[in-house]
Amino acid sequence: DQQVKQNSPSLSVQEGRISILNCDYTNSMFDYFLWYKKYPAEGPTFLISISSIKDKNEDGRFTVFLNKSAKHLSLHIVPSQPGDSAVYFCAADYTGTASKLTFGTGTRLQVTL
Amino acid sequence: DAGVIQSPRHEVTEMGQEVTLRCKPISGHDYLFWYRQTMMRGLELLIYFNNNVPIDDSGMPEDRFSAKMPNASFSTLKIQPSEPRDSAVYFCASSTWTGTGELFFGEGSRLTVL
Repeated sequence: DQQVKQNSPSLSVQEGRISILNCDYTNSMFDYFLWYKKYPAEGPTFLISISSIKDKNEDGRFTVFLNKSAKHLSLHIVPSQPGDSAVYFCAADYTGTASKLTFGTGTRLQVTL
Repeated sequence: DAGVIQSPRHEVTEMGQEVTLRCKPISGHDYLFWYRQTMMRGLELLIYFNNNVPIDDSGMPEDRFSAKMPNASFSTLKIQPSEPRDSAVYFCASSTWTGTGELFFGEGSRLTVL
């Protein structure tokens, strides 16, 4: 039973446009959410996180939005760049120390020229 | 600074053989995690350690899987005997709590069991 779901396996966006990656979760205990980016043949790398006490967190071109009532979070990348082409995983945690992350299955983002 | 180091990067073995994956975490990190990535299930947490002590191994699929952390700089994940359905990429990650929840992943060990 997938507690964290990324229903879009892939997304293609033009360079300069906004990329929106979505993630849904089912476990109400989750109170911390993260996004990771993964290039081929590399391990995932941390991108941005958000606590459930917030509804938005921004870091440069990356913004994560959290809608607790809908159990939904999204990652916005503006503007999208070719180097953003990767697989993006959302993850959720309830331990308070990110020691038991539950990951989604990932969304492959391709940014085209 | 060296990141998380995993070996081997690739392993091809035959069903029934023992497989040992190795991990050296980042110095100073007190958490170590073993994850498995498959197409169907994404990244799954197998087991994690805190200060070399196994805390939660509920993700370990079967008794065929075992993990150890004899000291702060080394961990192993062993599969004995291996089966074709164990074929996956196994990631080791380490962290210390800084408020962001950032885990530092190794490059992974791709296991193929024939």
